[in-house]
Amino acid sequence: EVQLEQSGAEVRKPGESLKISCKGSGYSFIHYWIGWVRQMPGKGLEWMGIIYPGDSDTRYSPSFQGQVTITADKSISTAYLQWSSLKASDTAMYYCARHSYAEYWGQGTQVTVSS
Amino acid sequence: DIQMTQSPSSLSASVGDRVTITCRASQGISNYLAWYQQKPGKVPKLLIYAASTLQSGVPSRFSGSGSGTDFTLTISSLQPEDVATYYCQKCSSTPWTFGQGTKVEIK
Repeated sequence: EVQLEQSGAEVRKPGESLKISCKGSGYSFIHYWIGWVRQMPGKGLEWMGIIYPGDSDTRYSPSFQGQVTITADKSISTAYLQWSSLKASDTAMYYCARHSYAEYWGQGTQVTVSS
Repeated sequence: DIQMTQSPSSLSASVGDRVTITCRASQGISNYLAWYQQKPGKVPKLLIYAASTLQSGVPSRFSGSGSGTDFTLTISSLQPEDVATYYCQKCSSTPWTFGQGTKVEIK
């Protein structure tokens, strides 16, 4: 059974760093793109970027380029989304999904940034 | 980048009604389009991929059509459990942009 297990909810202060994770299981992790999707409170889905764990090819939406970093550790079948300096506007639910057609999604990680 | 525009942004229809949602790409994307359903507080769910292929387990009242720049998602007979927000997503070249969503409610 394909599963994407995301790390738990996080609360941080503005300016702090953060790295959230998405662990894949039940399939060949290195052979599928993993993407990240943001959903701000009461808003729609925003595609952030993707990574191909097999060769670490990474693509970003122009809206998120330079704002976040997507990485993957294929040895532990885990993808990551990280921020070096969080802003209050990063408060959102973040989903990982196996792409391109996102048949499988993680359960979401709620990130709250508040002073 | 290619923009995806959905219409309407929301609709209210009666149980049993036929509902159509439109998604327009600013440039041609062949049939590289998916539709998702997101119920309140839930994870999005893939309904249709490659513009018209029904994902396994999705009720047959859902259908998709289109190619190039214009796509539609149709619910042939709206059911109470279909209350949700629906999103299209282009899956041709990156970025794989989502439409802004269409909220479907029961009248």
